[in-house]
Amino acid sequence: AQSVTQLGSHVSVSEGALVLLRCNYSSSVPPYLFWYVQYPNQGLQLLLKYTTGATLVKGINGFEAEFKKSETSFHLTKPSAHMSDAAEYFCAVRDNDYKLSFGAGTTVTVRA
Amino acid sequence: GAGVSQSPSNKVTEKGKDVELRCDPISGHTALYWYRQSLGQGLEFLIYFQGNSAPDKSGLPSDRFSAERTGGSVSTLTIQRTQQEDSAVYLCASSLRLAGFADTQYFGPGTRLTVL
Repeated sequence: AQSVTQLGSHVSVSEGALVLLRCNYSSSVPPYLFWYVQYPNQGLQLLLKYTTGATLVKGINGFEAEFKKSETSFHLTKPSAHMSDAAEYFCAVRDNDYKLSFGAGTTVTVRA
Repeated sequence: GAGVSQSPSNKVTEKGKDVELRCDPISGHTALYWYRQSLGQGLEFLIYFQGNSAPDKSGLPSDRFSAERTGGSVSTLTIQRTQQEDSAVYLCASSLRLAGFADTQYFGPGTRLTVL
C-alpha cells in the first residue's frame, strides 16, 4: 500500500510570504499525486495533480508543486500568501485505480 | 447541479439509531466514492462504486456500515446501530473514470454526523 506523510500539521505565514507545504510519499509503482484544499465546512477541492510528464505542476490560485522521484516528494508552494489561502491542505496518492490515500493534512494560517 | 451534492449537511442522532446519508454525483460520472473524515483517523476510504456495483468494500469499518447505488447515480450510505465513534464527516466523491488512473475525484461538501 502507498502512504503519504505531510510534515507539519500547522503552518503560519505572513501575508505576501512564501507558502511551502511538504509532502513525502511511499510507492512501489509510479505514483499519481494530488493536492486538495479544504475550506471550513466545505468539501475537498483539487488544487493540482501529477500523473505523468512535466514534474512541475501548476494549479489553481497560484499554487504549484514539483514531483521529485529521487526524494519521493511532492511539495506544494505559492510565492506570495493571501489571506484567502487560510485553509487545510491535503496531499494524496492514488493507491490503485480508484482509492486515494491522504496525508494527515496541514492547516495554514495567514497573518496580516 | 454542477457539483456533487450530499444530504443532510448535518445529522445528529442518538446512539443505537440507524442513519442514511445520501450522495448525488456529478451527472455522467460513473464512479462514486465514500470517504470518512474524523479527528482521530484523518481521511479514510470507505467504498467505491463503478456503476451500481461495489468492487471494493474493504474500507467499511464494520458490518453496521453498508452502501448502495441505484441507477448508476444516487448512492446511500447506511449506518445501523450508530456508535459514538461513528461521529465524523462523511464525504462523497465522483469521477469520470478516465483510462490510466488520471481522473480527478470531485468531492461534495460532506455530511457531519454526530452520535450522542
